[in-house]
Amino acid sequence: QVQLQESGPGLVRPSQTLSLTCTVSGGSISGHYWSWIRQSPGKELEWIGYVYSSGTTNYNPSLQSRVTMSIDTSRNQFSLRLSSVTAADTAVFYCARGSPLYVMSIVYYVLDVWGQGTAVTVSS
Amino acid sequence: DIQMTQSPSSLSASVGERVTMTCRASEGISRSLNWYQQKPGRAPKLLIYGASTLQSGVPSRFSGSGSGTDFTLTISSLQPEDFATYSCQHSYITPWTFGQGTRVEMK
Repeated sequence: QVQLQESGPGLVRPSQTLSLTCTVSGGSISGHYWSWIRQSPGKELEWIGYVYSSGTTNYNPSLQSRVTMSIDTSRNQFSLRLSSVTAADTAVFYCARGSPLYVMSIVYYVLDVWGQGTAVTVSS
Repeated sequence: DIQMTQSPSSLSASVGERVTMTCRASEGISRSLNWYQQKPGRAPKLLIYGASTLQSGVPSRFSGSGSGTDFTLTISSLQPEDFATYSCQHSYITPWTFGQGTRVEMK
């Protein structure tokens, strides 16, 4: 079955850029909304955005000015870059597959496959 | 952004009990509501989508209902493996947002 694995540094200095990659195995990268979600300590999950398999992106407006997502279909990977990080960006970052699921011809978008998550700390 | 509010924030229950939790959206989202289960140190797992459709492989003791702004997740007979945090998430429009979660603890 499809599996996702995040990779990237666990420590990032303030004001620097956080870069993470998610590798997709066991399935096609086409036709899905490849998403990043984060969870700061003790807080709810926060959707950061997605990159569609075509390369189209959709970012959370709260982070839009600092976020860039990209996809490399040849390597079955997609990536997140978050610039100008502060301590408030310390979180567990998850990559996830967004999929359209149909119920009686109505489409619903779900996050149906998740990576295990990677903890990123912003600290000097 | 559409805000998702869950209640209660935590509850204590025993194995075999029926458990119900709610999720309220700040505006109508039709049935574009998903439920996830998350255990400590693990990624969320999709349980229900479209407010009431069980994801493949999810036990039938889980059920969801609601539309518009008010939604419910019910576990008909709580099992030991169900002690976890449950989060709702809307996918009506972007940005997709999550509730703060309901933590189900052992009584």
